[in-house]
Amino acid sequence: AQSVTQLGSHVSVSEGALVLLRCNYSSSVPPYLFWYVQYPNQGLQLLLKYTTGATLVKGINGFEAEFKKSETSFHLTKPSAHMSDAAEYFCAVISVSGGYNKLIFGAGTRLAVHP
Amino acid sequence: GAGVSQSPRYKVTKRGQDVTLRCDPISSHATLYWYQQALGQGPEFLTYFNYEAQPDKSGLPSDRFSAERPEGSISTLTIQRTEQRDSAMYRCASSSGTSGRSPLYEQYFGPGTRLTVT
Repeated sequence: AQSVTQLGSHVSVSEGALVLLRCNYSSSVPPYLFWYVQYPNQGLQLLLKYTTGATLVKGINGFEAEFKKSETSFHLTKPSAHMSDAAEYFCAVISVSGGYNKLIFGAGTRLAVHP
Repeated sequence: GAGVSQSPRYKVTKRGQDVTLRCDPISSHATLYWYQQALGQGPEFLTYFNYEAQPDKSGLPSDRFSAERPEGSISTLTIQRTEQRDSAMYRCASSSGTSGRSPLYEQYFGPGTRLTVT
């Protein structure tokens, strides 16, 4: 069975500091990995995804993530935090079962950015 | 439509009442998913539709939960005899492609319905 663990339910950074949100996965097959962001009163929005190919994936709003198979990790980073990055972030893995995609999410990490 | 919409956005109901939540997916999207998100947790899969067919109901917590998509577009999720443990955010997502099999088919999420059972 596939699963996702996000380390740290809350992360707080200063504006301009590095953002690092941690995600580890468990999968018996090559995983497809995703990061979603949820801003207040909005739906989940896809930030980036890894399917195959280059292990460093770039997404929207300056975020990127690196797939490390040896570490079973897919950590999300951004070099310089903006106030507008304050949101909840979810890491997810696809479980392909019965010919369809089911997203399996981590518990989420709430990012706070302070001046 | 321009995006996935859900209604109502908030619902407060008393224990034992039935509730129906609505999802209006992006037009022409074949695949529609329902997820349940308890407070402090990530979304968990409930069920999905491929047009009007519902191939997998395995995530539905009990037989009090049912979903339908009779014309392959709008979907409803009904919870009968609600219990306090049903309190959660219910999320709907839609995806293009005939079966949603490819991971390249992004799931687009609606804003969710926050259900509170008192």
